[in-house]
Amino acid sequence: VQLVESGEGLVQPGGSLRLSCAASGFTFSSYWMNWVRQAPGKGLEWVANIKPDGGKEYYVDSVKGRFTITRDNAKNSLYLQMNSLRAEDTAVYYCVRENSLIYWGQGILVTVSS
Amino acid sequence: DIVMTQTPLSSPVTLGQPASISCRSSQSLVHSDGNTYLTWLQQRPGQPPRLLIYYTSKRFSGVPERFSGSGAGTDFTLKISRVEAEDVGVYYCMQATQFPLTFGGGTRVEIK
Repeated sequence: VQLVESGEGLVQPGGSLRLSCAASGFTFSSYWMNWVRQAPGKGLEWVANIKPDGGKEYYVDSVKGRFTITRDNAKNSLYLQMNSLRAEDTAVYYCVRENSLIYWGQGILVTVSS
Repeated sequence: DIVMTQTPLSSPVTLGQPASISCRSSQSLVHSDGNTYLTWLQQRPGQPPRLLIYYTSKRFSGVPERFSGSGAGTDFTLKISRVEAEDVGVYYCMQATQFPLTFGGGTRVEIK
């Protein structure tokens, strides 16, 4: 199982960024997928997840209306579109398989700063 | 939202001695399907989190037998039977019974 995030970047407050996660080594279309983040020096925070068929998503309240999780099962890929970014969104973002958080990517740093 | 409370915040342990971390949830973690979705994660310094225990007590592939999980309802425990140097890091409990998924604040295990 391999999960590789991309899309790292520095963005100004109010800006947008799209994260991608390339999955391999398993049948991607069979699993819930999650994004989890960790602000510098802080604990873990679940951000969003999406059903295996992409038919339903769930979000933490702090990102509702600003972030959108999607997936492309044909490309074995997970995405996180982040709009209206705030300084408090600065964190390492992890792509994680299954709601019990079985497999983790290495993480990608998103910095929101002017 | 379900609140997860971990104790202690920090646990200084002598090599070869046991360690125990407690995790308490604000609501029962028993799902309507009968499973209890309580996970324990380990995060070593500078690394992403790693799964240790899922479904309260199931040890993940490759996890040493010195790690064990137990509990039910709202009270859960992670035990390390004999702490080794590689066990240094922060340990998190997490519930996946109800959305949003929520984490405990973490317990730092360090060597005395």
